[in-house]
Amino acid sequence: KNEVEQSPQNLTAQEGEFITINCSYSVGISALHWLQQHPGGGIVSLFMLSSGKKKHGRLIATINIQEKHSSLHITASHPRDSAVYICAVDPPSGSRLTFGEGTQLTVNP
Amino acid sequence: DTGVSQDPRHKITKRGQNVTFRCDPISEHNRLYWYRQTLGQGPEFLTYFQNEAQLEKSRLLSDRFSAERPKGSFSTLEIQRTEQGDSAMYLCASSLRAGGSSAYNEQFFGPGTRLTVL
Repeated sequence: KNEVEQSPQNLTAQEGEFITINCSYSVGISALHWLQQHPGGGIVSLFMLSSGKKKHGRLIATINIQEKHSSLHITASHPRDSAVYICAVDPPSGSRLTFGEGTQLTVNP
Repeated sequence: DTGVSQDPRHKITKRGQNVTFRCDPISEHNRLYWYRQTLGQGPEFLTYFQNEAQLEKSRLLSDRFSAERPKGSFSTLEIQRTEQGDSAMYLCASSLRAGGSSAYNEQFFGPGTRLTVL
């Protein structure tokens, strides 16, 4: 069993839909990251959180430390949101990240 | 551009050849990470440095792989006697590790080097 698991693996939505991607982890963490990866490989950090909720534009990330679960929500989805979304956890030592396998999101116009 | 840069962006090589990749982190960042990503998978940790010290190596990093960060700035990752299974995207990231037990570790990623071994 992977230390970080994401669901779903693939998600197709229509423009304007509300999207949720889930991440569960089985290890202790100091922080959880949501990353976005576009075709070509570049990875961009969307959120880093250790408790509660963060919002940036149409993106919202929440984390429940007790349940070891995080969600990434996209409101009013748009085709430009199409990308791979990756959850990663930072151990208490703050060293290297452990990644989920990613969720491929496709938003159709 | 003051982000993380990697060179080359693409490398095609024949099996058995040696390859070397370079990563230039954000200048004030003291930590530098190497990850490998194969198609359809999330990145996997290879190794990381704090300044010039290599603090951790994954068991994925066989003896054909070596990484250095001699002056605590740029880093190189060398793969000797490449195999087809080495074909992947090699990602570099850097972060500023401040002191304290609860220090966050936001990592900034480079564009990656895509290696194809024929």
